[in-house]
Amino acid sequence: AQSVAQPEDQVNVAEGNPLTVKCTYSVSGNPYLFWYVQYPNRGLQFLLKYITGDNLVKGSYGFEAEFNKSQTSFHLKKPSALVSDSALYFCAVTHGGSQGNLIFGKGTKLSVKP
Amino acid sequence: DAGVIQSPRHEVTEMGQEVTLRCKPISGHNSLFWYRQTMMRGLELLIYFNNNVPIDDSGMPEDRFSAKMPNASFSTLKIQPSEPRDSAVYFCASSFPSGGAAKNIQYFGAGTRLSVL
Repeated sequence: AQSVAQPEDQVNVAEGNPLTVKCTYSVSGNPYLFWYVQYPNRGLQFLLKYITGDNLVKGSYGFEAEFNKSQTSFHLKKPSALVSDSALYFCAVTHGGSQGNLIFGKGTKLSVKP
Repeated sequence: DAGVIQSPRHEVTEMGQEVTLRCKPISGHNSLFWYRQTMMRGLELLIYFNNNVPIDDSGMPEDRFSAKMPNASFSTLKIQPSEPRDSAVYFCASSFPSGGAAKNIQYFGAGTRLSVL
């Protein structure tokens, strides 16, 4: 069975510092991995995805994520956090043979303080 | 493209009433998903369709919930009768699973905030 774990309910970072939001996954076959962001009172927005190729994936708003097959992880990172990055972040996984349904993690609330 | 369109944005109803939520997916997308989000349970997949056919409805809470997709551009999620515990934000999302660079990316609507009194 596929699953996603986001071990931190909340991550607190000072503006200008690097941030990391953690995600580990379990899937049969080759994983397709995604990060989404949700701002208050909004739907989820796609940030980036890993399907194949380079393990470091770059996405919207300066975010990037590193696929680590041996550790089954796909952590979201940003070199310098902004207050406007404060939001709820979701990791999701599926596999190549799926019909498009994603398994979402429970979400991590990112709080960036000035 | 206007994105995934959901209506209404807010719905307040009384216990026992029927509630119908509507979704228009992005044109050309052939997969549609209904989710429910609450503080307690997070984001839950209720049901999803491929080419208008329900594929997995195992997430539908109980028989009070039903979903239809009569054509490629419209879907409904109905709750009858509604109960206070159904209060949540309901999201619709669509995707194009075979679609090149957009493969498997789900695009979400703004959601319907349902309050059952």
